Amino acid sequence: SQQGEEDPQALSIQEGENATMNCSYKTSINNLQWYRQNSGRGLVHLILIRSNEREKHSGRLRVTLDTSKKSSSLLITASRAADTASYFCATDAHHGSRLTFGEGTQLTVNP
Amino acid sequence: GAGVSQSPSNKVTEKGKDVELRCDPISGHTALYWYRQRLGQGLEFLIYFQGNSAPDKSGLPSDRFSAERTGESVSTLTIQRTQQEDSAVYLCASSLGPGLQETQYFGPGTRLLVL
Repeated sequence: SQQGEEDPQALSIQEGENATMNCSYKTSINNLQWYRQNSGRGLVHLILIRSNEREKHSGRLRVTLDTSKKSSSLLITASRAADTASYFCATDAHHGSRLTFGEGTQLTVNP
Repeated sequence: GAGVSQSPSNKVTEKGKDVELRCDPISGHTALYWYRQRLGQGLEFLIYFQGNSAPDKSGLPSDRFSAERTGESVSTLTIQRTQQEDSAVYLCASSLGPGLQETQYFGPGTRLLVL
């Protein structure tokens, strides 16, 4: 079963608005990563946040992690049409090096 | 190479046939992973290689699925007697090592369609 669950499943916004996607997971983790996928092909790594970190920034991306609630959020500020993609969270739990992915959020940014 | 490459990009096969999918990881990456992604879903872990050995193959869905890696480089995922439910995108990823905080870099995937 999937470790992570993203919500919403789909999000449609206008260019310039902020987009927030959430991820919840079930077991304890070492780190949580966010990936982006265009057109159902290869994934691009966006950001990694360790279990002892609460917030991390990278350009227009801001990720938070709340281990007490087993949840994370990805915020994309000042969105662009090129941000249209699917976004997945993935966790690296204690049982090995595999990543466990959520179902993803399909983000559409309308120009 | 510059990134993870996979071949073929697309594969259409008939039910019951065998298929081989290839992954070339980033040079120097000792860890290699295979995932499967069904339409509209997240990625399912299949198997993990460290060097040429597979310490975790718990995600392989049946004994029709097998994988090998040679020369700590190229890996091949083989699906025997393909079924329609095997239709999916098969993604390969590699990382520097098995460290718990190593970023995995993904290839473009092979889209498999079983008719």
